[in-house]
Amino acid sequence: DAKTTQPNSMESNEEEPVHLPCNHSTISGTDYIHWYRQLPSQGPEYVIHGLTSNVNNRMASLAIAEDRKSSTLILHRATLRDAAVYYCILRVDNAGNMLTFGGGTRLMVKP
Amino acid sequence: DTGVSQDPRHKITKRGQNVTFRCDPISEHNRLYWYRQTLGQGPEFLTYFQNEAQLEKSRLLSDRFSAERPKGSFSTLEIQRTEQGDSAMYLCASSPSRDRPRNEQFFGPGTRLTVL
Repeated sequence: DAKTTQPNSMESNEEEPVHLPCNHSTISGTDYIHWYRQLPSQGPEYVIHGLTSNVNNRMASLAIAEDRKSSTLILHRATLRDAAVYYCILRVDNAGNMLTFGGGTRLMVKP
Repeated sequence: DTGVSQDPRHKITKRGQNVTFRCDPISEHNRLYWYRQTLGQGPEFLTYFQNEAQLEKSRLLSDRFSAERPKGSFSTLEIQRTEQGDSAMYLCASSPSRDRPRNEQFFGPGTRLTVL
């Protein structure tokens, strides 16, 4: 499986935008980019996913580089409840099997 | 609540004892997954079921571990002769069986195992 690289931790101020980067230089043409997050003492939850085009949903936006070798998860206004570990995961097309988690980025939000 | 549930939430056991965890997936989901997460690490895949069939097992799943999903609904994960290295959070997830990349997985709250 192609690997992803994320910073170990990031800090943000409450109500400011947050850009969480992910590098995936060995991504293949059929890999989808998924983001999950894990709040303290909870299981992971799905955030967003994309293939080539930028995506928006009620939780976040996903900006995908033109060469697809990197992507950025954007939280438009961070709240204290967004403090979590964010995982960037590649999923092979048609493989609805396991998720391969890396270390993720621990986001800390300051009031 | 129609989410994934796991029982128990916490389990403390002595080394050498057997433990069993239960997972109840979202009712219409055919796929069920088990993961293990140690402190400070991301979850690691253990095994997954499509209905009652166990389709994939990780090399992490030693012969002391066994998982079942007898009627294609709830699942159990048993660890025999527990070791201190088995201490971890055991997460269960479920997803619909649509064979598409989104195939969002819904996770339960996990069972935290401590082996003394």
